[in-house]
Amino acid sequence: EAQVTQNPRYLITVTGKKLTVTCSQNMNHEYMSWYRQDPGLGLRQIYYSMNVEVTDKGDVPEGYKVSRKEKRNFPLILESPSPNQTSLYFCATRLAGVGADTQYFGPGTRLTVL
Amino acid sequence: EDQVTQSPEALRLQEGESSSLNCSYTVSGLRGLFWYRQDPGKGPEFLFTLYSAGEEKEKERLKATLTKKESFLHITAPKPEDSATYLCAVQLYSSASKIIFGSGTRLSIRP
Repeated sequence: EAQVTQNPRYLITVTGKKLTVTCSQNMNHEYMSWYRQDPGLGLRQIYYSMNVEVTDKGDVPEGYKVSRKEKRNFPLILESPSPNQTSLYFCATRLAGVGADTQYFGPGTRLTVL
Repeated sequence: EDQVTQSPEALRLQEGESSSLNCSYTVSGLRGLFWYRQDPGKGPEFLFTLYSAGEEKEKERLKATLTKKESFLHITAPKPEDSATYLCAVQLYSSASKIIFGSGTRLSIRP
């Protein structure tokens, strides 16, 4: 079954404590992306990756890091989380190339930073 | 500045009452426009992709249309299970990796 998995699904942490949210896909997709979703602001892209070892900033990259060492995994790293990073986070994947525009989203990770 | 605006923010309908959701966009070179459905606590689920003005796509009670400035998601004779937030997003020629989302329309269908 085609899947995008995220872990953890829920996380409550404190300011400054480093954390990693994992994203894994089994569809052999080249393109992976992270979004955050906040009320009234919609989904905003944090970082994306076109393939292994190729990453780039989205619209709201400040305070986040990513890495793409393997095709199937794209972790999101918060080195020093702050309360304004409290949000609902989604990982998304798709094939790269013309016409391959359908994104598949993970189930989401709800993060609370106290 | 590239922008996507959805209206209304929220819409409550009676079961069977047809209506339309709007997605207007101001972008420099539209490559594609997407519609997603999002249920509470879940990730967005893909519905349609539209590439050129005049194009239409249908799926069950939903039909998406596209003009040069906006897209409509028409819902015909909706049922309570159509209740969800509907998201519109655009992809640009200038940066095919970048997807810009609207803030969504929260649709509620009363039995």
